[in-house]
Amino acid sequence: DIQMTQSPSSLPASVGDRVTITCRASQYISSYLNWYQQKPGKAPKLLIYAASSLQSGVPSRFSGSGSGTDFTLTISNLQPEDFANYYCQQSYSTPPTFGQGTKVEI
Amino acid sequence: QLQLQESGPGLVKPSETLSLTCTVTGGSISSRSYYWGWIRQPPGKGLEWIGSMYYSGSPYYNPSLKSRVTIYVDTSKNQFSLKVTSVTAADTAVYYCARHPGIAAAVTDWGQGTLATVSS
Repeated sequence: DIQMTQSPSSLPASVGDRVTITCRASQYISSYLNWYQQKPGKAPKLLIYAASSLQSGVPSRFSGSGSGTDFTLTISNLQPEDFANYYCQQSYSTPPTFGQGTKVEI
Repeated sequence: QLQLQESGPGLVKPSETLSLTCTVTGGSISSRSYYWGWIRQPPGKGLEWIGSMYYSGSPYYNPSLKSRVTIYVDTSKNQFSLKVTSVTAADTAVYYCARHPGIAAAVTDWGQGTLATVSS
């Protein structure tokens, strides 16, 4: 299985900040990398697919970049509703695997 | 608007079988464009892909669970189901049903999730 490692595990931030979350794959995955946001008690929500494509309806302050093994999710101008857990997921090979998550907290 | 809704017992005894069903509304499970799958999340932990299937194909299972998992589709009811046999406390999790446009693709649609607890 491809291992996905996110950093940091926890990210203290304030409204208006620009934050960056990193995801590293244990092997090459091209651009087959997706990002999800999950709030407490809710299902994850797809934010970014194929490393940098914004899912319909997702605010443009979310952006993704990277290819190969190293990827980033950036949230510019952090809003109160952005405080949540974020997960990366590789869709290059089966089984699809997720990172352990990053908690963006106040 | 597609909606996915999980249902099933919230409490299962150790060594027994966990059975969950996902009812699809607002779309057809026989769609040629999508796979239907299950993902779980133990309390306070990360996400684990259980398996997926195309409505008319063979299911794919995560090798870590393959010996205990079955996924099947009932097109007449527009539902798909999950069975996990010989459960232990480690199978306690929120189980999500999901739709995705490829066997390992990004999950575009999620159910709300249902907590299944394994306990005597």
